[in-house]
Amino acid sequence: EIVMTQSPATLSVSPGEGAALSCRASQSVGANLAWYQQKPGQAPRLLIYDSSTRATGLPGRFSGSGSGTEFTLTISSLQSEDFAVYYCQQYNNWPLTFGGGTKVEI
Amino acid sequence: VQLVQSGAEVKKPGESVKISCKGSGYSFTGYWIAWVRQMPGKGLEWMGIIYPGDSDTRYSPSFQGQVTISADKSINTAYLQWSSLKASDTAMYYCARPDGSGWFKFDYWGQGTQVTVSS
Repeated sequence: EIVMTQSPATLSVSPGEGAALSCRASQSVGANLAWYQQKPGQAPRLLIYDSSTRATGLPGRFSGSGSGTEFTLTISSLQSEDFAVYYCQQYNNWPLTFGGGTKVEI
Repeated sequence: VQLVQSGAEVKKPGESVKISCKGSGYSFTGYWIAWVRQMPGKGLEWMGIIYPGDSDTRYSPSFQGQVTISADKSINTAYLQWSSLKASDTAMYYCARPDGSGWFKFDYWGQGTQVTVSS
């Protein structure tokens, strides 16, 4: 099973600042990596897939990068609606696995 | 596209339960449906996935033998069931549908079903 490790667990940021969230895979997943956002009481929402492709309608301040074992989700200039928990997920191998999440808080 | 899940369940340890996820707005038999667990205050865990077209089912090793995933394509509904619940099964359960690329990234999610197991 591929283990996905996200860091930091919590990121404290002020509105308007940027944030970089890290996701590391225990073995290569190629570019088969997605990022999700989850707000309290809501289902996760797909943000990025194939490591760097934005989902339909996602604002340009979100970007993804990386391949192999190291991935980054970057949010440039955080808006109030961006404070949430972010998960990475690899879909290169069975079983599918998620990272433990990064909470982005004010 | 919509995935609508059944309502919250409150059960006692040892009881059985079957929760559902009804798909609409797309060809139900043409897309996999996954189940994802989220324990209180915790992260997401992929449990397993089913292809309603032929009922091909795959489980995460962590959940193999603990739950059963099924689907009834005649009513566009996928199911997740337990035969003997434990307190540790208390969680929110989501169904999710991958996009049509053949890779399992999930662009549609149900609203979640809370399962609470308590004596």
